[in-house]
Parts: sequence; C-alpha cells; structure tokens
Amino acid sequence: DIQMTQSPSSVSASVGDRVTITCRASQGISSWLAWYQQKPGKAPKLLIYAASSLQSGVPSRFSGSGSGTDFTLTISSLQPEDFATYYCQQANKELTFGGGTKVEIK
Amino acid sequence: QVQLVESGGGVVQPGGSLRLSCAASGFTFSSYGMHWVRQAPGKGLEWVAFIRYDGSNKYYADSVKGRFTISRDNSKNTLYLQMNSLRAEDTAVYYCAKDLGQQLASYYMDVWGKGTTVTVSS
Repeated sequence: DIQMTQSPSSVSASVGDRVTITCRASQGISSWLAWYQQKPGKAPKLLIYAASSLQSGVPSRFSGSGSGTDFTLTISSLQPEDFATYYCQQANKELTFGGGTKVEIK
Repeated sequence: QVQLVESGGGVVQPGGSLRLSCAASGFTFSSYGMHWVRQAPGKGLEWVAFIRYDGSNKYYADSVKGRFTISRDNSKNTLYLQMNSLRAEDTAVYYCAKDLGQQLASYYMDVWGKGTTVTVSS
C-alpha cells in the first residue's frame, strides 16, 4: 500500500495568515493527489484534485502543487471558515488518505 | 441539486451483518463510479470500496476484502454496501461519495453524503 504522511498534524494560525500543509507519498504517484477539507460532524469537501486543479466553487485562496512524492496545499490568506481538518488522498492505486492536519485558531 | 443520502446504519454484534444503502439524486447516477469511505470515531478517513459506473469492476481496501461487497442498482439510483463478519474495528461513520469522473473513473470524490453510523459491539 502507498502510505501518505501529512505534516504538520496540527497548526495554529490567525486570520489572514498564509498556511502550508505538506503530504508525502511512500512511492511516486505522479499527480494523482487530492485535498479535502472536513469540518466537525460534516462530510469531507473536495478542494483540489490532480495535485493542482481547483474544484469548482472552491475559493482561489486554496492552491495545490507537487508531483511524484511531495505535495503541498496552500491557503494564501486564512479565513474564519477555513478552520478545519485537511486530508490528502492518493488516487494512484488502492486509495489511501493522509492522517489529517487540523488548522486551529491561534 | 446533487444529493447522496445514506441509510442502514445501526448497532450490530461482532460477526453480524448489515447492508448500507445510498440513494442518489440530481445527477445521472448510471454514468458515475461510486465510493464508500469510512471514518472511525475521532480518526481519519479510510477508503473502503469503489464500483465502476456500470458495475463491471469493483475494488476494495485490504481491510474489508472478502467481508464487504459493493453493488449498485442503476434503475433505482442506489448504491449498496453489504457488510458481513463485522468486527469492532469496523465501527465508523460510513460515507458514500460520487467519483468526479464521468464513466472514466478519476478516483477523486466530489460529492459526499452526510454518512450513516455503524457500531459493532456486543
């Protein structure tokens, strides 16, 4: 199985901050990567697919980059509604998710 | 609007069985692959199974292979997950999710239901 390792596991940030979350795959997955946002008690929401494609309706402050084994999700200016847990997911072989990164209010 | 509604969750004893359903509306169900994803209490997301738009191919996580069966009825716009030989570690919220790709699977999930809770306990 391909293991997905996210870092950090949590981050404290303020509104307006730039936040970067990384995801590393245990083997190369080309650009087969997605990012999801999940708020407590809610279903996940697709933000980014194919490593850098913004899902329809998602604000442009979210961006994704990377290929191979190293990927990044960036929130350019954190908004109050962005406090949530973020997961990466590889779509290359048997699908797997990262462990999640909780973005908390500083 | 595009909607997925899961049902069938509940409390079941270890070794028991349960069948989950996911009713789809607002899109052409028969044109999209579908996934089941679960989340144990306080834990992260775990992909469970995928079925192609026409039911011709099915894929499973190793943790459920041989115990769970994914299926669909395109005439009823409904996705199913038959769960047998349930274990305590299967306790989770189970989500159905629509694949982003039409016919050609993308393995990304763009629409999710609200989930149904399965508790395996004696």
